[in-house]
Amino acid sequence: NAGVMQNPRHLVRRRGQEARLRCSPMKGHSHVYWYRQLPEEGLKFMVYLQKENIIDESGMPKERFSAEFPKEGPSILRIQQVVRGDSAAYFCASSPNGSHTQYFGPGTRLTVL
Amino acid sequence: AQKVTQAQTEISVVEKEDVTLDCVYETRDTTYYLFWYKQPPSGELVFLIRRNSFDEQNEISGRYSWNFQKSTSSFNFTITASQVVDSAVYFCALSEASRDDKIIFGKGTRLHILP
Repeated sequence: NAGVMQNPRHLVRRRGQEARLRCSPMKGHSHVYWYRQLPEEGLKFMVYLQKENIIDESGMPKERFSAEFPKEGPSILRIQQVVRGDSAAYFCASSPNGSHTQYFGPGTRLTVL
Repeated sequence: AQKVTQAQTEISVVEKEDVTLDCVYETRDTTYYLFWYKQPPSGELVFLIRRNSFDEQNEISGRYSWNFQKSTSSFNFTITASQVVDSAVYFCALSEASRDDKIIFGKGTRLHILP
């Protein structure tokens, strides 16, 4: 059973470009969480999704950030018009229904030039 | 409000010494979960342990042990006979059943094991 997969592992964007981060949960997992880790900081919750639904986006900036988890395919975290402050590691985690253990992917490291 | 505090920002010990990483948490829930994760220099998050709020038994796994004390809201982590490979950032974290299990992380403790 493959673990949580994230791609790309590293992403470089120039200011103003868009960044798309993908997360494929573990097989059978229908819950996806996104977290952001700024340099030298702990991880902070951004958004929690179930298939086709956003359950909690209280940690996500109101502008430029969006997330989706379609019926088919990976979850996508999209950042429009990136700025230098968006440079961070973005981790995705998945869990099966009713479980309290989240399994983390390897992260995507976004660098904004 | 839920919160996780790791007061030790950085610790250095010589190899083979024992080291304890402190973690204090705040929550109003009666049902919650506590975690420790390791983040080595390669950057991935390695799950170490999960405890639920109803299980205060201390746990030992090889050189690792955890001391959960509800009375002081602490969940401390001890590495005995430390090794250089233990060098990493260690995060303590909390999730509450009433809050969709989103995990609240502490800021981490960077542990240096010196040869």
